[in-house]
Amino acid sequence: DIQMTQSPSSLSASVGDRVTITCRASQSIGSYLNWYQQKPGKAPKVLIYDASSLQSGVPSRFSGSGSGTYFTLTISSLQPEDFATYYCQESYTDKFGQGTRLETK
Amino acid sequence: EVQLLESGGALVQPGGSLRLSCAASGFTFSNYAMSWVRQAPGKGLEWVSAITNSAGRAYYAASVKGRFTISRDNSKNTLYLQMDSLRAEDTAVYYCAKDHDGEHGNGYHCDYWGQGTLVTVSS
Repeated sequence: DIQMTQSPSSLSASVGDRVTITCRASQSIGSYLNWYQQKPGKAPKVLIYDASSLQSGVPSRFSGSGSGTYFTLTISSLQPEDFATYYCQESYTDKFGQGTRLETK
Repeated sequence: EVQLLESGGALVQPGGSLRLSCAASGFTFSNYAMSWVRQAPGKGLEWVSAITNSAGRAYYAASVKGRFTISRDNSKNTLYLQMDSLRAEDTAVYYCAKDHDGEHGNGYHCDYWGQGTLVTVSS
């Protein structure tokens, strides 16, 4: 079974900060990695697919990189609406990471 | 506008059954694979099941295989999840999600999600 591990589990940051979230796969998944954002009480929303492709309508401050077993999601300049929980998901066997809660400092 | 509306969530006793529905609109339903993803209270996301656009193939998480059955009616633009032998650990909000293509192959992603329906398994 593929395991997905995100770090950190939670993160405190301020508006304007550059933030990076990491996702590691227990075995190589190529570029089959998606990133989702979820706000409290709301459905998830896809941000990045295929490790680095920006979903239509998602602000360009979001970017993804990586391949194989190591992936990152970067928010270049944090905005107030970005405080949420972020999940990676490998689209090889559908597993999600445990989530990273991004909170205001 | 793509819309996905789940229904059927309820309080059910352990060992019981429930069928969830997801009514789709705003896109050609028969062209796309569909998925169910759940989220236990206060917990993360867990992929549950998926079905290809023609219903030719269905996929299940190990935690629900043999107990849940995914199906779709392309004439009614509706996705279903039949849940049998329910357990307390199945308690969650169940989301219906549209895949970006028809096959749920490697490299898929879910580009639209419903708002979810709550299933509570308790005596």
